[in-house]
Amino acid sequence: QSALTQPASVSGSPGQSITISCTGTSSDVGGFNYVSWYQQYPGKAPKLMIYDVSNRPSGVSNRFSGSKSGNTASLTISGLQAEDEADYSCMSYRSSSTPHYVFGTGTKVTVL
Amino acid sequence: QLQLQESGPGLEKPSETLSLTCTVSDDSISSSSYHWAWIRQPPGKGLEWIGNVYYNGGTYYTPSLKSRVTVSVDTSKNQFSLKLRSVTAADTALYYCARHAGAKLDYWGRGILVTVSS
Repeated sequence: QSALTQPASVSGSPGQSITISCTGTSSDVGGFNYVSWYQQYPGKAPKLMIYDVSNRPSGVSNRFSGSKSGNTASLTISGLQAEDEADYSCMSYRSSSTPHYVFGTGTKVTVL
Repeated sequence: QLQLQESGPGLEKPSETLSLTCTVSDDSISSSSYHWAWIRQPPGKGLEWIGNVYYNGGTYYTPSLKSRVTVSVDTSKNQFSLKLRSVTAADTALYYCARHAGAKLDYWGRGILVTVSS
């Protein structure tokens, strides 16, 4: 059962926008609007940033946005700030003989 | 603010059964609105969804671990548990418990490191 594919690393300068991709199949990302994104600092638990492809929980900055096209979901961080340097992982519902959830491979965001 | 706390041994021997418990700070574990999940993260690696449980005991598991995993719930104690049988060094990881609200994990515990070693 393979993980969703994310770039290992993405970097940008303060103020810039970056986009992290999350590629799956029609059995997961492409088939359902059940993609969520998590931010994780070293030694800390993940934090929900986006859910159901493009919804932001209360308290999450509007600099974070999500979208989906076909089998690929994306997380965009606009107006990049030093505090955005962290690991980001996507998660999707996957239909199969045993419905379950699957995470992406994770992306390290570096603010230059 | 909902809180979740993992507890259990930090060291297991190969071939033994890993057992962890997650304590939820309120009685929302009895709500039909949520599932309760276990996720793990090997050192330096990505997150892996293990499985979840509903208040009535219904479960879903990731296929690669299904033959070795049991997740259960005890609503009287506001707790749910993970058992992973026949562990090997590959099961060494930081184990998190979390609340599934629909398709999102909105509250997480701090995690507990479990090392498998003789």
